[in-house]
Amino acid sequence: AQSVTQPDIHITVSEGASLELRCNYSYGATPYLFWYVQSPGQGLQLLLKYFSGDTLVQGIKGFEAEFKRSQSSFNLRKPSVHWSDAAEYFCAVGPYNQGGKLIFGQGTELSVKP
Amino acid sequence: ETGVTQSPTHLIKTRGQQVTLRCSSQSGHNTVSWYQQALGQGPQFIFQYYREEENGRGNFPPRFSGLQFPNYSSELNVNALELDDSALYLCASSSSGTSLSYNEQFFGPGTRLTVL
Repeated sequence: AQSVTQPDIHITVSEGASLELRCNYSYGATPYLFWYVQSPGQGLQLLLKYFSGDTLVQGIKGFEAEFKRSQSSFNLRKPSVHWSDAAEYFCAVGPYNQGGKLIFGQGTELSVKP
Repeated sequence: ETGVTQSPTHLIKTRGQQVTLRCSSQSGHNTVSWYQQALGQGPQFIFQYYREEENGRGNFPPRFSGLQFPNYSSELNVNALELDDSALYLCASSSSGTSLSYNEQFFGPGTRLTVL
């Protein structure tokens, strides 16, 4: 079955600390992977995506993610968290050429302490 | 260039009623996807419309139906509402549903539906 698992429902980090959000996937075909962020009252914003090539991808707002095929993982990282990063983060997997039809994880809520 | 817009923002219905949610896609986009996001969950794919035709459907019953208009705006209709239909409904538009290249989809802010 195709699925995305985000093991951490809620994470709290101190401002300036590093961050890693975990994502594991199960997908029959070649996975195309995404990380989205959702702030309260907002739609989803794409942080970064991985299709092929270099397994370390850079995104917006200083985020990066690393694809590890052997571990079926696509973890999101940021070296130094800002208070404005507090939001809900979703990992998703989907088909490359069909712009939608994404399978999302249940999300990780990030809180940032001063 | 305007982004994806959805209306209404909030809606309250009672069980058994019908509801129509609307989505205006981003300029130049011909594909709209709809997702249901229950509280505390990730979005779930409902269906996608490409050039006015349904182009894929998730695991949702037939009482969830949709339309796409010539201007590529879209409607999501839900009949015989159930309590579990309470959720945030998101639409997302992109520039193509069948091309070989990836086309980023842009999400609207959603419609919050409450079924009592």
